[in-house]
Amino acid sequence: EIVLTQSPATLSLSPGERATLSCRASQSVGTYLVWYQQKPGQAPRLLIYDASHKATGVPRRFTGSGSGTDFTLTISSLESEDFAVYYCQQRRNWPITFGQGTRLDIK
Amino acid sequence: EVQLLQSGGHLVQPGGSLRISCAASGFTFSSYDMNWVRQAPGKGLEWVSTVRSTSGDTYYADSVKGRFTATRDNSENTVYLQMNEVRADDTAVYYCAKDAVPFGDFPLLGDWGQGTPVTVSS
Repeated sequence: EIVLTQSPATLSLSPGERATLSCRASQSVGTYLVWYQQKPGQAPRLLIYDASHKATGVPRRFTGSGSGTDFTLTISSLESEDFAVYYCQQRRNWPITFGQGTRLDIK
Repeated sequence: EVQLLQSGGHLVQPGGSLRISCAASGFTFSSYDMNWVRQAPGKGLEWVSTVRSTSGDTYYADSVKGRFTATRDNSENTVYLQMNEVRADDTAVYYCAKDAVPFGDFPLLGDWGQGTPVTVSS
């Protein structure tokens, strides 16, 4: 099973700041890495697929990068609606697995 | 517009059984793999199962293998999760999720249902 480790567990930033979230895989997943956003009481939302491709309707300030075992989700300038929990997921092998999440809090 | 309407919440005793469902509309249901993902209270996301679009082939997480069965009815545009021998650690919100691409290989979860709360307790 591929283990995904996200860091940091919690990130406290202010609106307008840049956020950098990390996801590290226990073995290579190529570029088969996905990012989701989840707000309280809501289902997750697809943000980035295959490491760097934005899903429909995702704002430009969200950027995914990386390959192999190290991946990054960057939010260039935080807006109030971006404060949420972010999960990475690999879709390289069964079972598909998620990271434990990074909570992005307002400072 | 894609809609995934899940059945209501359940309270079930340990060792019991239940079936939850997810009715789909707004897309060609038979072309998309469907998935179940759960989230225990205050915890992260855990993939549970995938049902292939046309073959109905299934994949399961080890934690539910042999106890849960996912099926689909392409004539009714509905996917089901039969949950047997439930345990306290099965307590979670269960989401159905549609693959983002037709006839995909590995799950890319593009649209999600509203979630079905399942509580396992005596």
